[in-house]
Amino acid sequence: GNSVTQMEGPVTLSEEAFLTINCTYTATGYPSLFWYVQYPGEGLQLLLKATKADDKGSNKGFEATYRKETTSFHLEKGSVQVSDSAVYFCALTTGANSKLTFGKGITLSVRP
Amino acid sequence: GAVVSQHPSWVICKSGTSVKIECRSLDFQATTMFWYRQFPKQSLMLMATSNEGSKATYEQGVEKDKFLINHASLTLSTLTVTSAHPEDSSFYICSARDGGGAYEQYFGPGTRLTVT
Repeated sequence: GNSVTQMEGPVTLSEEAFLTINCTYTATGYPSLFWYVQYPGEGLQLLLKATKADDKGSNKGFEATYRKETTSFHLEKGSVQVSDSAVYFCALTTGANSKLTFGKGITLSVRP
Repeated sequence: GAVVSQHPSWVICKSGTSVKIECRSLDFQATTMFWYRQFPKQSLMLMATSNEGSKATYEQGVEKDKFLINHASLTLSTLTVTSAHPEDSSFYICSARDGGGAYEQYFGPGTRLTVT
């Protein structure tokens, strides 16, 4: 089956700090990988995605590279802002009709 | 593009009553919609997958008679919580997949249900 493992949280950083959120996966088949962000009281927003090995997804200063050899899709940002405070979910799907498999999510708090 | 709306955004109901939540894809046709439930500070739990014009597929442990899902058109799916009880209080989120797009799902803003 499919599974996604995210590092334990929560994570608290100062503004302009470097961010890494680890995500590893196991999948039956060739997965597409996603990072979603959830702001308080809201639904999920797609942050970035990658559909094949070595692809780099990027958006709003966040990046993640699809690493097939290490089955990882770590999220990074060079300089976080207070507005980045949210819950981040790593997810995958392995087919056009397949459901998303989510990690547990990690809460990021950025202090001024 | 790829906007999904949910209505209502929050609802309070009395125990024993039924509540209907709507999920609409506003600018694309969604052949498949998904319903999730999220408990505080937890991840999303998939409840069911619905395809337009056919019966929903429920995940193990989800009561299909309690959580009625109807996907009557390519832009609308509804979740009805029947005979709601306080333990049904939760954040319900729908998502939709564009029939002609890639594998990503577009999520609605969620509905906060409180059963008193």
